[in-house]
Amino acid sequence: GQSLEQPSEVTAVEGAIVQINCTYQTSGFYGLSWYQQHDGGAPTFLSYNGLDGLEETGRFSSFLSRSDSYGYLLLQELQMKDSASYFCAVRDLDSSYKLIFGSGTRLLVRP
Amino acid sequence: DAGVIQSPRHEVTEMGQEVTLRCKPISGHDYLFWYRQTMMRGLELLIYFNNNVPIDDSGMPEDRFSAKMPNASFSTLKIQPSEPRDSAVYFCASSGAIPGLSRAYSYNEQFFGPGTRLTVL
Repeated sequence: GQSLEQPSEVTAVEGAIVQINCTYQTSGFYGLSWYQQHDGGAPTFLSYNGLDGLEETGRFSSFLSRSDSYGYLLLQELQMKDSASYFCAVRDLDSSYKLIFGSGTRLLVRP
Repeated sequence: DAGVIQSPRHEVTEMGQEVTLRCKPISGHDYLFWYRQTMMRGLELLIYFNNNVPIDDSGMPEDRFSAKMPNASFSTLKIQPSEPRDSAVYFCASSGAIPGLSRAYSYNEQFFGPGTRLTVL
């Protein structure tokens, strides 16, 4: 089976940098994705790492290390609007179009 | 495209009543997913369809839940009879090939609807 672990909550200051980690146990997967969800909203796709290494999209970067079963989402120049929940997810090799989501990390950005 | 459309946005019903949630996926998408989200259990996949055919319903909690996809532009999730523990936000999501991107990449992005907040009293 698949399982993903994330910290439940992270707090950071506006303008700072924060890293949200995701460790996983899986027999095989296509890659690691990240989704953002604001309170009362729907999850929205942020990034995907199919290969090891760093992917950068504006203020957000995501990293994957398959050998360490580990990935992270890095948010730079934090803004108040970044306060949200962040979910890592993997695509299951056995059922390749299904996403398995982590439990989510709630990020609170303080002024 | 208007994105994934769900209705109703809010539903309040009494225990024992039948509830039907509706979803219209993004045109051209060939996968449709139904999720349930609660504080206790997080985001759970209930069932998903490929080209209108149910592929995996292992997440459906029990026989009270059923889902159909009669055509490529419409799906329903039905709960009969409803119970207070079914109270949650139900999301529909769709995915499909994205022009210019590899298939491996495309299907990592699921597009979620706004959700239906269900309260069963």
